[in-house]
Parts: sequence; C-alpha cells; structure tokens
Amino acid sequence: QKEVEQNSGPLSVPEGAIASLNCTYSDRVSQSFFWYRQYSGKSPELIMSIYSNGDKEDGRFTAQLNKASQYVSLLIRDSQPSDSATYLCAVGINQFYFGTGTSLTVIP
Amino acid sequence: DGGITQSPKYLFRKEGQNVTLSCEQNLNHDAMYWYRQDPGQGLRLIYYSQIVNDFQKGDIAEGYSVSREKKESFPLTVTSAQKNPTAFYLCASSIGGQAYEQYFGPGTRLTVT
Repeated sequence: QKEVEQNSGPLSVPEGAIASLNCTYSDRVSQSFFWYRQYSGKSPELIMSIYSNGDKEDGRFTAQLNKASQYVSLLIRDSQPSDSATYLCAVGINQFYFGTGTSLTVIP
Repeated sequence: DGGITQSPKYLFRKEGQNVTLSCEQNLNHDAMYWYRQDPGQGLRLIYYSQIVNDFQKGDIAEGYSVSREKKESFPLTVTSAQKNPTAFYLCASSIGGQAYEQYFGPGTRLTVT
C-alpha cells in the first residue's frame, strides 16, 4: 500500500504570514510530486508540481522536495484569506496517490 | 477554452438504479481518470485509461464500469452493485502516463437514496 501522509490540521495563520504544509510518502521509487488546492465543494486545482530534489518557486508558492527523507512541503508566503482551502499532496508512481489534505485558514 | 467538463453537477438516484456520469475533455490528453472523494478522505482511483479502447482498474473498481471509445470521452457507470455510491466523483486527464500532471473537471456529486 502506497501511503501519503498529511497533517489534517486545521492550520490557522494570520494574513501576511507564511503557511507551511507538509507531506510524507512511503514509496522510495516515487517519481513526481504535486500540490493541489481544493476549495470547499469544488474540485482540486493543481498549483505546484516538483520532480527533483530542492526548491521550486512560483509566485507566492514554494514547493520543497527531499527524496532522501521522503517528504515534500509547500510554503505559501504572504498568506491571503483567499488561500483558505484544503491542500492535497499527490505522489506519482505508477498511479497518483493522494493524501487526505490539510485544511488551511488564513485569518484576516 | 480548453478544459474538462463533467455533467451533471448534481445527480440523485434511487438505490438499485445504474447511473452514468459524463466526462469530456478538449485538451487532447491521452490519459483520463476517475476518482471518488468521500468526506475526510483522499481521492481514490476507480479506473483510468491511457489510450482509446483500453482502461485499467484502480483501487476501488468494484461496482463501477467505464468505456473509452473516443479520446475525448470517458464515461463512468455506477452500477447497483456499488455498495456505497453516494460520493463526489472527479474526472481528470493528463497528457501522458500517471507521473504527469493531472487536471480535474468540476466534479459530479452523486446522492443515492
């Protein structure tokens, strides 16, 4: 069983702060890693993908991958109330495996 | 506009009835997927297809069936054999195999009573 673990939260941060979301996975042969944002009642929206060790930045979002430690994280800088959502981590091997998501609330 | 469409948005059925959920994409993606999402749970893969006329079972295929007669279309039938069909059903597509980015449609919320 491939496992992807996320802290379900809820995680609350004040507006303007950095939100840090973490994800660990169990299968060392995992090849690709993704972060999705899902607003309540809506479908997941891809926000970041990362394939190699290190950091990848896109606007206010930074994904960090450490394959040796088997974790991937997402940092959201200058958090906004519109960032309040559930964030899903997905790991690709021969198929996608999703975590259960971390609920983030940004407090104005 | 390129994207994935699912219809209907909400669907209500009586227990014992089969129901078919539609999924269409105009992204020219080869691969398509069906997931199920239950409250407090991650997405679980039902079926996927990487090429027309071929599809594979995912982790929870029992009680479901699919077809892939056209590249653009991947309908899912929820049969009466599915014990707990009430859920949020999500269709996704990707340009290639399962390690590639997947993009989701808006979803269909199915309620069976």
